[in-house]
Amino acid sequence: RKEVEQDPGPFNVPEGATVAFNCTYSNSASQSFFWYRQDCRKEPKLLMSVYSSGNEDGRFTAQLNRASQYISLLIRDSKLSDSATYLCVVTGNAGKSTFGDGTTLTVKP
Amino acid sequence: EAQVTQNPRYLITVTGKKLTVTCSQNMNHEYMSWYRQDPGLGLRQIYYSMNVEVTDKGDVPEGYKVSRKEKRNFPLILESPSPNQTSLYFCATADRFNEKLFFGSGTQLSVL
Repeated sequence: RKEVEQDPGPFNVPEGATVAFNCTYSNSASQSFFWYRQDCRKEPKLLMSVYSSGNEDGRFTAQLNRASQYISLLIRDSKLSDSATYLCVVTGNAGKSTFGDGTTLTVKP
Repeated sequence: EAQVTQNPRYLITVTGKKLTVTCSQNMNHEYMSWYRQDPGLGLRQIYYSMNVEVTDKGDVPEGYKVSRKEKRNFPLILESPSPNQTSLYFCATADRFNEKLFFGSGTQLSVL
């Protein structure tokens, strides 16, 4: 079993749709959690940090459930520009960071 | 401007010819890390460094070396590259190990 598992996708949605990505992690000692966005083999860029209390940034909402070892990302009112690969990242207490394989989102007109 | 500079951007080489991919950051970050990305896979960590003179293996360290002699530089060394090291490589830094990562632009390496 992989340390970090994401929905395989791809997700193909129309503009304006709401889409949710899920990610599970196996190491209960994991310390930090993030969602990154990657466009076509360019460098990943931070989308959001993820906290137990949940956090929101415009159309994006991230949630962490430590008990279930589960992270989610919700995108509301999808835009064409949201088309990308979304990477879930979990960082442990010894410096190792583990990425999920990524979920590809395509938003269509 | 805060930057993570990775060079070269593209590299084609032959099996067994030693090469170095450089990574430099001007953000005074303690943490630096190398990843490789292969089609259909996420990023896999090769090596990381929590601070100067401190390096540790990630998930796929075989065939790679690193050094952290100074804070700003973290080169990735392939002593004897093989075709299975053909990949897209990213360097990243963070202020601390559990904080957000800033990535370089990537190096596409092809080993023939």
